[in-house]
Amino acid sequence: TQLLEQSPQFLSIQEGENLTVYCNSSSVFSSLQWYRQEPGEGPVLLVTVVTGGEVKKLKRLTFQFGDARKDSSLHITAAQPGDTGLYLCAGENPGTYKYIFGTGTRLKVLA
Amino acid sequence: DSGVTQTPKHLITATGQRVTLRCSPRSGDLSVYWYQQSLDQGLQFLIQYYNGEERAKGNILERFSAQQFPDLHSELNLSSLELGDSALYFCASSVAPGNNSPLHFGNGTRLTVT
Repeated sequence: TQLLEQSPQFLSIQEGENLTVYCNSSSVFSSLQWYRQEPGEGPVLLVTVVTGGEVKKLKRLTFQFGDARKDSSLHITAAQPGDTGLYLCAGENPGTYKYIFGTGTRLKVLA
Repeated sequence: DSGVTQTPKHLITATGQRVTLRCSPRSGDLSVYWYQQSLDQGLQFLIQYYNGEERAKGNILERFSAQQFPDLHSELNLSSLELGDSALYFCASSVAPGNNSPLHFGNGTRLTVT
């Protein structure tokens, strides 16, 4: 059983559309990170959310941490082909020290 | 450039063989993590070291072992290789363990077992 479940698993949209990616857990995390991975490269950190209810914006990307710190979302406004990639949420598994990644959302933005 | 160096970039070997993957963390980072990523899969946590000591262990097979040396570089040893071990192996480093120290990843070693 994956501790961090992401949905959807795959997403193919047209340029200019909006989308939301979800990261859910039954456990409380003290913080969560979002990464983006492009083919042939390692994941690159996008943001860290720490406080329940926190909202962070990174240009057209908006990240939210759930009030109970069990879930997070990533919203992209007016998606661009350059947003194409694998989006991963991650965090330290409470009580185990294991830094785990979510199941991933593979996004493709068509021009 | 993340500052994390992984070598080799590609490795092709036969079943039953043993290989060593090497990772040099970012300057100043004390924690090293190893992950396995199979085709179109997420990142599976293997093991983590902090300042030379093992801190957390994930679903790492008994055929696999790792260590972090006094100069903080790390090696992942994979032995008795099977076809299913073919994957991308990533190393990452962070300043310290814990939630608020994001990971910086190398570009991975692509292992192909034939």
